[in-house]
This record gives sequence, structure tokens and C-alpha cells, in this order.
Amino acid sequence: QKEVEQNSGPLSVPEGAIASLNCTYSDRGSQSFFWYRQYSGKSPELIMFIYSNGDKEDGRFTAQLNKASQYVSLLIRDSQPSDSATYLCAVSGNQFYFGTGTSLTVIP
Amino acid sequence: GAVVSQHPSWVICKSGTSVKIECRSLDFQATTMFWYRQFPKQSLMLMATSNEGSKATYEQGVEKDKFLINHASLTLSTLTVTSAHPEDSSFYICSASGLAPMSYEQYFGPGTRLTVT
Repeated sequence: QKEVEQNSGPLSVPEGAIASLNCTYSDRGSQSFFWYRQYSGKSPELIMFIYSNGDKEDGRFTAQLNKASQYVSLLIRDSQPSDSATYLCAVSGNQFYFGTGTSLTVIP
Repeated sequence: GAVVSQHPSWVICKSGTSVKIECRSLDFQATTMFWYRQFPKQSLMLMATSNEGSKATYEQGVEKDKFLINHASLTLSTLTVTSAHPEDSSFYICSASGLAPMSYEQYFGPGTRLTVT
């Protein structure tokens, strides 16, 4: 079992819709959770991090964490074509683990 | 804040030569640096983790004698690809994490695209 699992996609949503990206992790001791966005040919950039159960909102992005279910998600409201990228979930405890990423395409 | 730079951004070299890639944290002290490799349309692959002043810890399957990592200061780590071959052509990305409260996050450099001919 991989430490961090993501659906590779591709996930396609129309412009203006909500994109929902999901991630599960195996280490119950994980303490910190991150979402990175990676455009094709570029390096990842950190867009959200969350440490506590519940929701954390930053602009159009909302990260949701449920430690009991070992589940973290990222919601992107009012999706824009510029949001089209690969989204990487990362989990940090004793070690830092990345998921393989979910490819998102926002269709104009 | 939390800016990481890499140099060069791209490099083309001949098979058999060595290439050095630098990774610098510009505005924080990077106690830990990570080196990743990414092939086209594939996910990030962690190659090694280095702590300042210590030997790097390599992931399984990564040849430490081929990929030499030096983390001599809190702001600089280097990756040297020795005797490069065409199969080493890839996108090499470093990341860095610092002291608390930054110790949980990794900040990525812009990457170095290596092409070995």
C-alpha cells in the first residue's frame, strides 16, 4: 500500500464549477498535509497546507482534513482554465510523502 | 519568503561528462534539502534527502556514486550527475525545508532540465 494515494485522473470540470480532489494516507501519525500544484514542465508550488481537522479556506481553495478517516481533500471553487494542472497531495509525519498527483483540466 | 533557486535552469551535456546542479535557499536556512527527478508525464521521484553537514540519505535504487550530493551550508546543496548518460536526461528538482515553523513544509526550486546527448 502506498503511503499517499490519489486518483490520477484526468479530472475534467467545466469552467466555473467546483473541482474536488481527494487524497488518502496510511500513516496515522501524520501531522501536516499539503497540496501542491504543478503545471506541465514546471516544479510544484505549495498552494495550501492544513494541520487540524476541519476546513481551511484560502480564496477559491478549501482544504478539508479528516484524520479519523485519513482523508484530505482540496476543493477549487469557480474553477478557471488556469487551474488546469496536476495537483499533488503531500503528507508529513516522520517522513514526507507525495502522492502521484491528480491531473485536472478545466474546460472553458 | 521561502524562495529556492536552482542553477542552471537547463543544461545539455555530452554522454560521459559530469554536470553539477546548485540549489540555494535565498531567504531562509534550509536544514534539509531534497532532490527529486521527474520524467515526462510521471510523478516526482525522491532521489535523496540531505541535512546540512551530513551525508545524504539515498532512496532505494538511486546510485550514490553516480548522483553526488553535497549540503555544505544551510543555504546551498549541490547535485552532481557523474558520467551522465542519455537515460539520465530528466527534470531535476530540489526542495528545501527549514527550521520551525517552516520545518513541515517543502519549498521547491524551479527545476533543472538535463539533456544528455
